[in-house]
Amino acid sequence: EPEVTQTPSHQVTQMGQEVILRCVPISNHLYFYWYRQILGQKVEFLVSFYNNEISEKSEIFDDQFSVERPDGSNFTLKIRSTKLEDSAMYFCASSFQGAHRDEQFFGPGTRLTVL
Amino acid sequence: AQSVAQPEDQVNVAEGNPLTVKCTYSVSGNPYLFWYVQYPNRGLQFLLKYITGDNLVKGSYGFEAEFNKSQTSFHLKKPSALVSDSALYFCAVRDIGTGGSYIPTFGRGTSLIVHP
Repeated sequence: EPEVTQTPSHQVTQMGQEVILRCVPISNHLYFYWYRQILGQKVEFLVSFYNNEISEKSEIFDDQFSVERPDGSNFTLKIRSTKLEDSAMYFCASSFQGAHRDEQFFGPGTRLTVL
Repeated sequence: AQSVAQPEDQVNVAEGNPLTVKCTYSVSGNPYLFWYVQYPNRGLQFLLKYITGDNLVKGSYGFEAEFNKSQTSFHLKKPSALVSDSALYFCAVRDIGTGGSYIPTFGRGTSLIVHP
């Protein structure tokens, strides 16, 4: 069964450093998403991406965040200057189109720890 | 605006007994409702969804959920729990009256523990 994969599984960084979180969505999916979950809190939407551009983003997704699909398989989330409050589990997801667009497939997550 | 509440942080049930994981929602229009399950070290897996039609929706692994519009609920159920059902369960809602947004709002999650 195809799966969304994410690397690394755990990233530790110093405050102010840049991090790039990587995702490989399911190959025939067209919509891509990033979510985060701060420990003990809700899963929060960050951004969605379709046809090589951002289709929706939340208030959390400010200028320090960016997304990119650098090739036909990877989907990345960059945080330019990390803050302590960016520590969270970051989930990538993807979905197909049409009637299946709402069925999002999630990766296992990257745990980001900012020190 | 759309929101979802999972009132229980944890649900404990004995193997073989029926289980219910509760979810209530709030939308301004009509809801699309979803349940996801997360096993340890895995991503969220789609279980089932309610779009329209029959209020009882059947999904993967023997789970089902009942949409109740008057109570704004979408509780997840299974007639006979298995130890392997132990996981974190997330309810999500999308308001189809939000001008084209396809982004769901997730609950905090409920940890289901099935005891042998």
